[in-house]
Amino acid sequence: NAGVTQTPKFQVLKTGQSMTLQCAQDMNHNSMYWYRQDPGMGLRLIYYSASEGTTDKGEVPNGYNVSRLNKREFSLRLESAAPSQTSVYFCASSEPPSAGYNEQFFGPGTRLTVL
Amino acid sequence: RKEVEQDPGPFNVPEGATVAFNCTYSNSASQSFFWYRQDCRKEPKLLMSVYSSGNEDGRFTAQLNRASQYISLLIRDSKLSDSATYLCVVNMDTGRRALTFGSGTRLQVQP
Repeated sequence: NAGVTQTPKFQVLKTGQSMTLQCAQDMNHNSMYWYRQDPGMGLRLIYYSASEGTTDKGEVPNGYNVSRLNKREFSLRLESAAPSQTSVYFCASSEPPSAGYNEQFFGPGTRLTVL
Repeated sequence: RKEVEQDPGPFNVPEGATVAFNCTYSNSASQSFFWYRQDCRKEPKLLMSVYSSGNEDGRFTAQLNRASQYISLLIRDSKLSDSATYLCVVNMDTGRRALTFGSGTRLQVQP
C-alpha cells in the first residue's frame, strides 16, 4: 500500500497563476483533509471532506477550493496564487471522528513557493 | 491565546537523558489527544495516543491532566534517532472539524 500520495512534491508559481494539488489514498478512508504548515504556526486546516461528495471549510479556506473526486482522491486548487500561500501543504486521511479513533495518515507534502 | 500551546524549544539533551514536554489546550470539551512526531522536511506521523489513565510505549510515556488541561510526553534514555519535532494534537470536537495541532517542540539529542 502506498498510503497517501501527493503530487507535485515541489512547485514554484508566479503571483496570479493557478494550480491544483493532487492527493490520493489507498486505505479506503472516508475522511480526507488539506493542511498548510508555516514556520511557528503548526498545521492549519484548510478544507475537510468527511466522506465522498461532502466538503467543509477549515480554519484558513480563503483563496482555496477543493474537490472530492471520489473516495480515493481529494484535490486542492489555488485559483490565483498569492505570496501568502507560500507554504508546505499536507494531505491526510482517516476514518471519521465518529468512529472513535481518528489517527490521521499524512502524505509527504507539497512545497509551494509563490513569487 | 493559541488553542494548543507548546514550548517550541529546542531542547538539546545528551544521549541517555530523560526529557519531558508539556502542552496545554484551551477547550475543556476536547475529546482525544495525541502526540505526533515530525522529522525535518517530512510528514507528521502518529507517535502515540494519550489516554486519561496515562499510557506507556517503550521509552515513551504520555499523560493527560484534564483538570489542568495539559498533556505531557516523557522520553527516557534518549537516542539520537529521537531528534525530531513533537507535535501535541487535540481533537476538539467529534463533529466536522479535524485535529488541532500545536506548533511543535523541537528535540535535538546530542552524542
